[in-house]
Amino acid sequence: AQTVTQSQPEMSVQEAETVTLSCTYDTSESDYYLFWYKQPPSRQMILVIRQEAYKQQNATENRFSVNFQKAAKSFSLKISDSQLGDAAMYFCAYNSGGGADGLTFGKGTHLIIQP
Amino acid sequence: DTAVSQTPKYLVTQMGNDKSIKCEQNLGHDTMYWYKQDSKKFLKIMFSYNNKELIINETVPNRFSPKSPDKAHLNLHINSLELGDSAVYFCASSQPGGRETQYFGPGTRLLVL
Repeated sequence: AQTVTQSQPEMSVQEAETVTLSCTYDTSESDYYLFWYKQPPSRQMILVIRQEAYKQQNATENRFSVNFQKAAKSFSLKISDSQLGDAAMYFCAYNSGGGADGLTFGKGTHLIIQP
Repeated sequence: DTAVSQTPKYLVTQMGNDKSIKCEQNLGHDTMYWYKQDSKKFLKIMFSYNNKELIINETVPNRFSPKSPDKAHLNLHINSLELGDSAVYFCASSQPGGRETQYFGPGTRLLVL
């Protein structure tokens, strides 16, 4: 079974600074996908960024980028120029390449933005 | 336009009661899911349906029964509610395939007293 580990229960960063959230995973599959979801206090789950395991290039979405290290099974999220609206729970998630698999989530990192 | 909607958003009930949560998606997706988020915010897949057929049932008690009347709807019925069922339940949908983004509903907070 796949597992996803987020070792930082909480992180704090000053507004406009950069922060990196860690995620490691364990799988024996070669075809899989990794995601970061954001859950603000509103409770809505919002996709931040997605990475295909077969792609060597790290995904980027505006101020959000990942550092995907396939051999190390590491998938960290970097948030640049942090904004107050980035304050939320961030979940790392894994999905296998198959059909209707559900996401396997890490336990989440609570990100606090200091003004 | 709401992509994935759930009703109700809040549900407070007594132990032993039976309750249902409804989910509808207007994205044209073939696959729908139910997730449970516990008090520590941990999210875990419960069920997955593809084209109205059950694909995954992750060690969920028999008291939980999903029903998919059509591709756009996936309802969750819970019998004989227990205190430990208190959680936030999320419905999600996507096209089939691991690369596809799952779109989540707003969640239903269930409190069993």
